[in-house]
Amino acid sequence: AQTVTQSQPEMSVQEAETVTLSCTYDTSESNYYLFWYKQPPSRQMILVIRQEAYKQQNATENRFSVNFQKAAKSFSLKISDSQLGDTAMYFCAQVSGAGSYQLTFGKGTKLSVIP
Amino acid sequence: DTGVSQDPRHKITKRGQNVTFRCDPISEHNRLYWYRQTLGQGPEFLTYFQNEAQLEKSRLLSDRFSAERPKGSFSTLEIQRTEQGDSAMYLCASSSPTGDGYTFGSGTRLTVV
Repeated sequence: AQTVTQSQPEMSVQEAETVTLSCTYDTSESNYYLFWYKQPPSRQMILVIRQEAYKQQNATENRFSVNFQKAAKSFSLKISDSQLGDTAMYFCAQVSGAGSYQLTFGKGTKLSVIP
Repeated sequence: DTGVSQDPRHKITKRGQNVTFRCDPISEHNRLYWYRQTLGQGPEFLTYFQNEAQLEKSRLLSDRFSAERPKGSFSTLEIQRTEQGDSAMYLCASSSPTGDGYTFGSGTRLTVV
């Protein structure tokens, strides 16, 4: 069974600063995908960044980057130059690359960006 | 294409009533998923369709829940004899055949009173 653990229920960061959200996962699969999703208050879930397990290079999307440590099964999200609009719940998720296509989510980290 | 659409956005129902939710996925996505999200938790998988075939169901999907995707396009999720524990956000998502990118709808928030 796949599990995803987010150990930080809440975090805060000053506007323009950098923050890192932690995520660990467990899987027996060799081929899988990892995701970070953002869910603003009362709004829909939006994909922030995606990492394919077979790619060693860490994914980057503008101010968002990941630190993917495959051996340690760790997948942290770094947000640089934090903006007020980054305030949201952030969910780490995993899906196997074969067979079941269900996403397994962590419990989320509530990020508040402080002006 | 405007993304994944869900209807209604909010539903309040009395315990014991039946409710039905609709999801319209992105047109070129053949995979469709239903998730349930309770307050303070991450979404939990309920069921998955590839085209019109329901290929996987979670143990969370009791016999009071049924989902259909009759023509491989839109999907419906019906809950019969609703219970207070069914109160949650019901999310629909769709993905391309490769299954490596998911788009979520805004969800239907169900409140059972």
